[in-house]
Amino acid sequence: EAQVTQNPRYLITVTGKKLTVTCSQNMNHEYMSWYRQDPGLGLRQIYYSMNVEVTDKGDVPEGYKVSRKEKRNFPLILESPSPNQTSLYFCASSFLASSPTDTQYFGPGTRLTVL
Amino acid sequence: AQTVTQSQPEMSVQEAETVTLSCTYDTSESDYYLFWYKQPPSRQMILVIRQEAYKQQNATENRFSVNFQKAAKSFSLKISDSQLGDAAMYFCAYSGNNNDMRFGAGTRLTVKP
Repeated sequence: EAQVTQNPRYLITVTGKKLTVTCSQNMNHEYMSWYRQDPGLGLRQIYYSMNVEVTDKGDVPEGYKVSRKEKRNFPLILESPSPNQTSLYFCASSFLASSPTDTQYFGPGTRLTVL
Repeated sequence: AQTVTQSQPEMSVQEAETVTLSCTYDTSESDYYLFWYKQPPSRQMILVIRQEAYKQQNATENRFSVNFQKAAKSFSLKISDSQLGDAAMYFCAYSGNNNDMRFGAGTRLTVKP
């Protein structure tokens, strides 16, 4: 089954404790992206990647890191989480043949709470 | 930078009736994609419909259709014969030549039986 998976689905942590949210897709997609969703703000792009070893900042990259060492994986790293990073996070992927980006397929979301 | 605006935070519709959700965007690009995504209570993001800017014909997917007005930078979603399962948050989104993706704030649709 073609899908984007994220782990964990729920996470409660404390300020300053490093964490990683994993994202994996099995569709051989070139493009992968991370978003955060907050009430009244919709989804905002954190980082995106057009291929292995290529990453770019989105609208809200501060406090986050990403890496793209393999085509299928795109982990999101919070080196020192803070309460303002409490949010719902989505990973997405799409087949990128050329600009602009075509339809993105989303993972199930990760609910993160930072105390 | 491109922006996407959904001016209706909430909408409601009677079952079997028709409702239109509004979306406007700001861009100087000529080639781009526009999307409507649905987010039910399960939180899963589901693609409803997409429109390529170079196509003048409005996209249609069963009961869902769009009114794409390129000059006015407007991209509204019409849902016909509304069903209880259509109740969800709906997000309008824009993808342009920078390969980034921008979403509106969303419209919460309630369907009344």
